[in-house]
Amino acid sequence: NAGVTQTPKFRILKIGQSMTLQCTQDMNHNYMYWYRQDPGMGLKLIYYSVGAGITDKGEVPNGYNVSRSTTEDFPLRLELAAPSQTSVYFCASSDSGEGVGELFFGEGSRLTVL
Amino acid sequence: DAKTTQPPSMDCAEGRAANLPCNHSTISGNEYVYWYRQIHSQGPQYIIHGLKNNETNEMASLIITEDRKSSTLILPHATLRDTAVYYCIAGANQAGTALIFGKGTTLSVSS
Repeated sequence: NAGVTQTPKFRILKIGQSMTLQCTQDMNHNYMYWYRQDPGMGLKLIYYSVGAGITDKGEVPNGYNVSRSTTEDFPLRLELAAPSQTSVYFCASSDSGEGVGELFFGEGSRLTVL
Repeated sequence: DAKTTQPPSMDCAEGRAANLPCNHSTISGNEYVYWYRQIHSQGPQYIIHGLKNNETNEMASLIITEDRKSSTLILPHATLRDTAVYYCIAGANQAGTALIFGKGTTLSVSS
């Protein structure tokens, strides 16, 4: 199993550009999450999904959009990139279990907006 | 989710036990305590979680006080590779609920 795979690993965007961060998991997990982490800070939840076709906002959803058309994929769309969106983005997935079970994280996508 | 308080940093000698405290005095009865760690800039890694009882796995032990207002993560024999940021999270009592990460404790293990 590859686990949770994120692409790209690094990206530089100009202000106002748009892009999609890809996230794929091969563990057949129902639950998927997008977090961002600014330098020296903890992780903040952007969006999450409890299954295909169902998404919900987290703490910091403004400037982002998500979709969940399949169990495996949970892409994060950045519209009109701003310098404040410079961050490391982590995708995670989990299965049902005690509490939220164990979250499996990807390696992260490092985004710089100039 | 309940708010958690952790010391910003701790040091530990290699081979010794590392005891990481976490205060979660506002935790409700059905909220779990989770521990994750993040090594350098990698994605966070799950360590352990529990509700009321103490828990142990191959990585660590989790000791939860009887009133559940605080807990301690114990790494029994810390190694240099355990140097990381450790996050204590209280909340999320059902599948699909999002975990809220704070700033965590930076554990430095030295030889």
